[in-house]
Amino acid sequence: DVKVTQSSRYLVKRTGEKVFLECVQDMDHENMFWYRQDPGLGLRLIYFSYDVKMKEKGDIPEGYSVSREKKERFSLILESASTNQTSMYLCASSPGGYEQFFGPGTRLTVL
Amino acid sequence: QQQVKQSPQSLIVQKGGISIINCAYENTAFDYFPWYQQFPGKGPALLIAIRPDVSEKKEGRFTISFNKSAKQFSLHIMDSQPGDSATYFCAARVGNNDMRFGAGTRLTVKP
Repeated sequence: DVKVTQSSRYLVKRTGEKVFLECVQDMDHENMFWYRQDPGLGLRLIYFSYDVKMKEKGDIPEGYSVSREKKERFSLILESASTNQTSMYLCASSPGGYEQFFGPGTRLTVL
Repeated sequence: QQQVKQSPQSLIVQKGGISIINCAYENTAFDYFPWYQQFPGKGPALLIAIRPDVSEKKEGRFTISFNKSAKQFSLHIMDSQPGDSATYFCAARVGNNDMRFGAGTRLTVKP
């Protein structure tokens, strides 16, 4: 079974803090993704990576950056957290362009 | 804006009934149409998917109907069970890594 794990299930941070969300997959997948999930908006792509050190912006990259130093690990960074970044963050991985395997999500609250 | 429009936002069905969720799209370059199922506290998981050269795909109680000319596709859940209560997302893929998700439908199946 593919396993995608995320470092925290719940996180509370203060405005202006730097926040790191970690994601690890154990199936040697080339592609990894970060989404945010908000009620009524579905899943919106923040960034994806198709190889180590490679990244592409998604629909809503502003205020976020990513890092992929190893194939199995994809990190999402909020440089200076703001209250409008309070959301559920989902990481996914994919061996190709079809099925994506999701982690359980990190619910981030920024106060 | 949402490239894949999903309705309804929420749906309540009696046990044994048929649940129907609809999605519409505009971009004719979409080439793969999956449905994801998400239980509370979990990430979405692929339920069933279809390609545009097929008008229907069935897996157990779950069926996707696809109407290419109308640019619509729908998920039918036959004999709905309380265990089917979850949030369902339709999606559409364009290009290798670009998956567009609908806003989601929260399904409740009453016993």
